[in-house]
Amino acid sequence: DGGITQSPKYLFRKEGQNVTLSCEQNLNHDAMYWYRQDPGQGLRLIYYSQIVNDFQKGDIAEGYSVSREKKESFPLTVTSAQKNPTAFYLCASSPTGINEKLFFGSGTQLSVL
Amino acid sequence: SQQGEEDPQALSIQEGENATMNCSYKTSINNLQWYRQNSGRGLVHLILIRSNEREKHSGRLRVTLDTSKKSSSLLITASRAADTASYFCATDGGYNKLIFGAGTRLAVHP
Repeated sequence: DGGITQSPKYLFRKEGQNVTLSCEQNLNHDAMYWYRQDPGQGLRLIYYSQIVNDFQKGDIAEGYSVSREKKESFPLTVTSAQKNPTAFYLCASSPTGINEKLFFGSGTQLSVL
Repeated sequence: SQQGEEDPQALSIQEGENATMNCSYKTSINNLQWYRQNSGRGLVHLILIRSNEREKHSGRLRVTLDTSKKSSSLLITASRAADTASYFCATDGGYNKLIFGAGTRLAVHP
């Protein structure tokens, strides 16, 4: 079964805690993305990576960090510096990242305790 | 930075009617894409139209693009209750990333 797997589906964060959202793809895609979605809103780009060991900040990178050590994995860490982390987080991938359609995971809902 | 903006924000119709959603954007583009999102789920790609194309069809979907007006429309014909979802346009704006609008929430009533 090819696709993008995000885990967990629901995640709760305590004050001052870092949490990591997992994103794995077996589509052999080079490019991967993290988006944040707030209720009733569109998607805002947090980070993206077009190749292993390289990534760029999106529009709202503050308070987040990523790594891209393997082609199939692009984890997102929500740090304690992100003061308003409650949102729906979506991971996506595309074959090369240039003017192509995106394939999305099913999302992780992060809430603050 | 928001590139695409959909209109209307919400649309409510009866089954069998057509649904039209519009998207406007600000800068020149290489392509424009439409996605669908069911509540609490990821987005699903519907159609991609390139800047040199004016119209594209896929099943009950028809997308038009007017680069002179920087706008696109998505038409869903003969709507079904299962079409109930949010629909987003996304543009590249010349960058190697997609920028999404806030979406149109479509409700199709049986």
